[in-house]
Amino acid sequence: DAGITQSPRHKVTETGTPVTLRCHQTENHRYMYWYRQDPGHGLRLIHYSYGVKDTDKGEVSDGYSVSRSKTEDFLLTLESATSSQTSVYFCAIGSVSGTSGDEQFFGPGTRLTVL
Amino acid sequence: AQSVTQLDSQVPVFEEAPVELRCNYSSSVSVYLFWYVQYPNQGLQLLLKYLSGSTLVKSINGFEAEFNKSQTSFHLRKPSVHISDTAEYFCAVRGVGGATNKLIFGTGTLLAIQP
Repeated sequence: DAGITQSPRHKVTETGTPVTLRCHQTENHRYMYWYRQDPGHGLRLIHYSYGVKDTDKGEVSDGYSVSRSKTEDFLLTLESATSSQTSVYFCAIGSVSGTSGDEQFFGPGTRLTVL
Repeated sequence: AQSVTQLDSQVPVFEEAPVELRCNYSSSVSVYLFWYVQYPNQGLQLLLKYLSGSTLVKSINGFEAEFNKSQTSFHLRKPSVHISDTAEYFCAVRGVGGATNKLIFGTGTLLAIQP
């Protein structure tokens, strides 16, 4: 596996509480992504980063914020968790080159349950 | 913008039988195409990719996919499946030359192999 870790791997929280998920890479890749996976929806992009302090929204960004203060770390924050944010969250990393075509490498996922 | 359609949410097949998982895409520009595989309780792993050149691409474990530009398809095939191929398979597309480096995923096809 590419050097990607996610923490925590499982979390149960209550509606209205803040939650932060961490993605850490050791590959020095420029791009980092946060996805959520839900049955019937596949993977949907929440936010992504194209460099330190450079981030942008994906297709399902409402209710989420991100930060990237170092190349290796990309944090996803749910400011006030809701039950609709119960999901499995995946971090991915990637770099653009003529040969890779943007192959992304995925972390093991974080299962978040909001009660 | 790009989109991906995987019409089959689940494909049941007997062990040692052939299988085809369908993927169609939509894009106004040239594309890179990917198939990812997700084994139970794991993250996604790249199975194979089409960037340019030969339209038939193969994986190390016997899968192959053919890029068909006229039909905007990238179907995944295997002539004889094994029980260990049980997983969910995701097709993904990225527009060539895009500045944002984002992948668009299909909703996934669960390959259910029966002994």
